[in-house]
Parts: sequence; structure tokens; C-alpha cells
Amino acid sequence: AQSVAQPEDQVNVAEGNPLTVKCTYSVSGNPYLFWYVQYPNRGLQFLLKYITGDNLVKGSYGFEAEFNKSQTSFHLKKPSALVSDSALYFCAVRGGSGGYQKVTFGTGTKLQVIP
Amino acid sequence: DTEVTQTPKHLVMGMTNKKSLKCEQHMGHRAMYWYKQKAKKPPELMFVYSYEKLSINESVPSRFSPECPNSSLLNLHLHALQPEDSALYLCASSPLAVISYNEQFFGPGTRLTVL
Repeated sequence: AQSVAQPEDQVNVAEGNPLTVKCTYSVSGNPYLFWYVQYPNRGLQFLLKYITGDNLVKGSYGFEAEFNKSQTSFHLKKPSALVSDSALYFCAVRGGSGGYQKVTFGTGTKLQVIP
Repeated sequence: DTEVTQTPKHLVMGMTNKKSLKCEQHMGHRAMYWYKQKAKKPPELMFVYSYEKLSINESVPSRFSPECPNSSLLNLHLHALQPEDSALYLCASSPLAVISYNEQFFGPGTRLTVL
């Protein structure tokens, strides 16, 4: 069975400082990893994904994520946080072992950027 | 058009009512999904349609009845719901259900309240 862990319910960071939102995963076969962001009363919005290749993935709005196979992690990062980045962030994983593979979401991390 | 639309945005219904949620996408995606999301929780998969056929039902109670009239539309028919069914209902689509590295495109959701 596959799983995703987001160990922090909430991350607080000052505007202009770098931010990291942590994610670790467990999956059989090749992992396909995703980050989504959700603003209040809205649907999820895709930020970035890791399929294969370069371990550093760049996505929307200046976000990036680093895939680390040995640590089974896929942490989301941004060099300089904006107040508008405040939202709920979900890490997700799908296995790649053939057939339909369900998306497993983490429990979410609320990011609060303080002006 | 890279948007998934959902109507209505808000719905309040009694336990004896019958109502329907609607979802539409014009991206040519052949996989469509219904998710249920409680506050501050990750989305929970309910149904997956692949090429307009129901391929996954995550043991959802029969008071929820999905329908996919064509490749662009997805409905969720509601009947005899319970107050605990109150949640944000999200529709999503992706190019193909079995391609694990495709991200999903989410609609803004319907906020359902069951009285």
C-alpha cells in the first residue's frame, strides 16, 4: 500500500524568508509525486510533479521540490515566501506499476506567511 | 480551455431532497473523478470514470449516484443524504485514468450542506 506523510500540520514563515514544506512517501514501483495547493473554499491547484530525471523540479509561482530517493522525500521549497502563498498544501503520490493507480494525498500542511 | 467548472457553488438540501451536482471540462480528458473533502482534510476519492464508464467506486453509499452522459460532463445525483455528507465535493479530470504521471485538474467544488 502506498502512503504519504506530511509531518507538519502548519508551517509559519516570515515574508521574504525561504520556506520548506515536508513530504515523505512510501510506494511500490516508480513513484510519481505531486504537490497541489488549495486556497480557502477552492479546488486543488497543481503546482509541480516529479516523474523521472532531474531531482530538482521547478513548478508554478516560483515553487520547486527536491526528490530524494534514498530518504523517500519530496519537500516543497521556495526561496522567498509571499503573503499570497498562505494556503493549504497537499503532497500526493501515485505508483507506476501498471493499471489504475489511486492518488494518495497527504494530510495537508497549512502554510502561513507572516507579513 | 484548461478549466473544470462545477455547479452549483453552494447547495443546501434537506435529507429527503433529490439534487444533482454538475461538472464540465473541455480539455478532451477521458478520465473524470469525484472527490469528497471535509474541512482541513485531504480529498477522498469517490468515483472514477474512464472513457465515460465507471471504473472505480470506492464503496460509496448508494445515496450518491454518478453519471457520465458524455466525455465532457459528469454528474453526481444526491438522494436521501445525511448531515454527515455535508462537505466540499470536488470534480477533477485528467487525460487518462491509467497514466499515473498525469496531474489532475480540479474544479472549484460544490459546498454541500445537508440539514
